[in-house]
Amino acid sequence: NAGVTQTPKFQVLKTGQSMTLQCAQDMNHNSMYWYRQDPGMGLRLIYYSASEGTTDKGEVPNGYNVSRLNKREFSLRLESAAPSQTSVYFCASSLRTANTGELFFGEGSRLTVL
Amino acid sequence: TQLLEQSPQFLSIQEGENLTVYCNSSSVFSSLQWYRQEPGEGPVLLVTVVTGGEVKKLKRLTFQFGDARKDSSLHITAAQPGDTGLYLCAGESYNQGGKLIFGQGTELSVKP
Repeated sequence: NAGVTQTPKFQVLKTGQSMTLQCAQDMNHNSMYWYRQDPGMGLRLIYYSASEGTTDKGEVPNGYNVSRLNKREFSLRLESAAPSQTSVYFCASSLRTANTGELFFGEGSRLTVL
Repeated sequence: TQLLEQSPQFLSIQEGENLTVYCNSSSVFSSLQWYRQEPGEGPVLLVTVVTGGEVKKLKRLTFQFGDARKDSSLHITAAQPGDTGLYLCAGESYNQGGKLIFGQGTELSVKP
């Protein structure tokens, strides 16, 4: 059972470069999320998709774009990377039953912007 | 902006000691989740509490949801080195479409 798969696991970019983080889940979940994790700040929501075809901004969306390609895949794009976007990025998915939506996380993508 | 304040941020204890981690907010949550994260991995759900005053036990871990649904605590009895990790609380508000707000996390180190 793969669960949530993120690629790449590590990436180093120069300021101004662009890149896309890929995420796929095989659990038939409706909702998908992108979080960033920085020391002492927990997990902050960048964007989420409650269902296929919809996306919404989270707490820290500036500098990012997302695409819900289909029910399985949710990508995060950095158009012009900045050092402030150095972080560990986590993709998550949720089945969303009632109001107790457990999040299933990928292993994370560590991004360094020089 | 809803905030979840977790305390303490860092905790280093000896094997066998007890500890409590707190998660507090001024907002009311429909449910609250606790996750544990190990280095190089994503967080994994430990428990979800949904009813004010609810207490759930998971072996040596006891989770409590405050009566007013604004706070929660995690108590570990007789901590073991295997409990070492980052503990995160996450609250879900009513009518927020499944968005979870995470606390800053508590980094727990249990020394043999």
